[in-house]
Amino acid sequence: DADVTQTPRNRITKTGKRIMLECSQTKGHDRMYWYRQDPGLGLRLIYYSFDVKDINKGEISDGYSVSRQAQAKFSLSLESAIPNQTALYFCATSDPAGVMGTGELFFGEGSRLTVL
Amino acid sequence: DQQVKQNSPSLSVQEGRISILNCDYTNSMFDYFLWYKKYPAEGPTFLISISSIKDKNEDGRFTVFLNKSAKHLSLHIVPSQPGDSAVYFCAASGSGSARQLTFGSGTQLTVLP
Repeated sequence: DADVTQTPRNRITKTGKRIMLECSQTKGHDRMYWYRQDPGLGLRLIYYSFDVKDINKGEISDGYSVSRQAQAKFSLSLESAIPNQTALYFCATSDPAGVMGTGELFFGEGSRLTVL
Repeated sequence: DQQVKQNSPSLSVQEGRISILNCDYTNSMFDYFLWYKKYPAEGPTFLISISSIKDKNEDGRFTVFLNKSAKHLSLHIVPSQPGDSAVYFCAASGSGSARQLTFGSGTQLTVLP
C-alpha cells in the first residue's frame, strides 16, 4: 500500500462545482503539502501544514482551501471550480528532521482534475 | 518569475551514454538543492540532493554538481539506462519561506535502447 494515498485519482467536474481532493498518509510525518503540476510550469505549492493547527498559504492559494483533519489527513477543496484549475494535483509529506531541516518530500500518486 | 529554471523540456540519450540535465536558479538565498524523478501516473520520487557547502554529491550512477558562482546545478547519469526515462525536476530551498521547495518545470529524459 502507498504511504501517501490520494483520492480520487481522476475526477471530471463542471465549472462552479465544489470538489474535494483527499490525502492520507501512513508515514507519521507532521508536514503535509498540496502541489499542482501544469505543463511547462513544474510543481507549484498551493497550501502546506506543519501540524494539525498550522495551515499556510503557498504560492498559488487563490481559489483553494484546505483542512487538516488529523495528522494523517489533509484535504484540498475547490469551492467553485473553474477550467484553469484543470491540473494534476499532488499531496506530499515530509519529515523536518532531514538535512538542513529540509526533509525530502514524499508524494502521492496524484489526482488528475478536469474542470469543464 | 521562475526562480528555478530547467531550460530543456526534453533530452534524448543513447543507452550506456551519459545524460546531463541542467538547472539554473536566481535566488542567492537557496542553499539546498534536490532532484526528483517522475514516471507517468506516479508521484515524483526523491533522487539525490546537495547542500551549498558542497560542489558534488554522488550516489551510484547519479552525480549532482553545484556551481554556486554560476547559480547552476546539473545531474549526471552514467551510464544511462532505459529505466531512467522519466521527467526530472530540479528543486531548491533556502532559509526563507520556511524552507519550502521551489521546483523547476522539469526535463523529460528519454533513454533509447
